[in-house]
Amino acid sequence: DSGVTQTPKHLITATGQRVTLRCSPRSGDLSVYWYQQSLDQGLQFLIQYYNGEERAKGNILERFSAQQFPDLHSELNLSSLELGDSALYFCASSAWGQIDSGANVLTFGAGSRLTVL
Amino acid sequence: GESVGLHLPTLSVQEGDNSIINCAYSNSASDYFIWYKQESGKGPQFIIDIRSNMDKRQGQRVTVLLNKTVKHLSLQIAATQPGDSAVYFCAEKMRGGYNKLIFGAGTRLAVHP
Repeated sequence: DSGVTQTPKHLITATGQRVTLRCSPRSGDLSVYWYQQSLDQGLQFLIQYYNGEERAKGNILERFSAQQFPDLHSELNLSSLELGDSALYFCASSAWGQIDSGANVLTFGAGSRLTVL
Repeated sequence: GESVGLHLPTLSVQEGDNSIINCAYSNSASDYFIWYKQESGKGPQFIIDIRSNMDKRQGQRVTVLLNKTVKHLSLQIAATQPGDSAVYFCAEKMRGGYNKLIFGAGTRLAVHP
């Protein structure tokens, strides 16, 4: 157990729908990162939050949004879902805002598998 | 795209042999590198990392080598065990405020008894 908790583990939904994925970082970690892993694109960085504020942005679609709450958990909202959004979505956390060694190494959760039918 | 996983190369080794997994990274401005292991159904798990001011770092049964001249990273696993079977990813972080990890496509390691 990495200490990063993601729910749900599996989610099946239809095109056009909206889903929310939830992540609780490791105890004491202030930064949360979201990654998407699909078969044809590997692990792609989506977005990072640090202590409630957006810190870095990657290839996140406009249909996707995220936020980090005062208790430091984060949610990734995916809307107007398309077949191509089917993927594993990983959350990772680190102690501070800058990726580095030691406590700032990214620790990943087990992921949420999204299937869009 | 930054990281494409179209084809996943596989390295097959015998149990007890040493394994070497290679990675070519893309950006000469990257200053931090990390290896992750991903077992089926699980998230990536940290193995070892190295900063660009080093060329070698050792952990327990693992060694990472960094060759900045040719932008090459390798992971050596000594005395490979069946539990080492997984997909291994290298990742790089660019120097400066560009705070994100760019992952390689991954290599599948299959350990045979």
